[in-house]
Amino acid sequence: NAGVMQNPRHLVRRRGQEARLRCSPMKGHSHVYWYRQLPEEGLKFMVYLQKENIIDESGMPKERFSAEFPKEGPSILRIQQVVRGDSAAYFCASSPLLGINSPLHFGNGTRLTVT
Amino acid sequence: EDKVVQSPLSLVVHEGDTVTLNCSYEVTNFRSLLWYKQEKKAPTFLFMLTSSGIEKKSGRLSSILDKKELSSILNITATQTGDSAIYLCAVEFGTSGSRLTFGEGTQLTVNP
Repeated sequence: NAGVMQNPRHLVRRRGQEARLRCSPMKGHSHVYWYRQLPEEGLKFMVYLQKENIIDESGMPKERFSAEFPKEGPSILRIQQVVRGDSAAYFCASSPLLGINSPLHFGNGTRLTVT
Repeated sequence: EDKVVQSPLSLVVHEGDTVTLNCSYEVTNFRSLLWYKQEKKAPTFLFMLTSSGIEKKSGRLSSILDKKELSSILNITATQTGDSAIYLCAVEFGTSGSRLTFGEGTQLTVNP
């Protein structure tokens, strides 16, 4: 029973390049969440998606960041024209149903380093 | 503004000590409070608390929620070096979805 799978584990990008982070939720989970953890800080909510729908993107920066969860395939967090301040660990979590008292399960994260 | 505050931010103890970690919150439409343990990778789920006064236990770890005081504690007895980690408190609130707001975490170091 595979957990939440994220790849790549580590990603290095130069300033101005694009970063694509992938997340496959646990089997049977249709809700995906992205969180960012900056060095020495807690996890900050970014976006909450269901298949083909963005439910809550209130934590997403207004520019350069986008997320999708297509009908087929993993959820993608895309960061365009990366800057040094984007360096962080990006965690994906999934849950089965909306509003059910079920804890989020996290993936191992993608550590993005912008040089 | 909704917030979750943990204390202390860091704690250093010796093996065998008992520790108590604190989490307080100010949110609208509280639904549940969760504790996670984070080592180098994914936060791993420890407890989910929804009702006041009911202690949840798992081995040497236990946690309880006090809705009147808007807080929770996480206790670890007979600490071991393997307990060294960041302990994250998160609160689920609002009227839809399972969005969590996390505290800054408590960095626990257990020395042999």
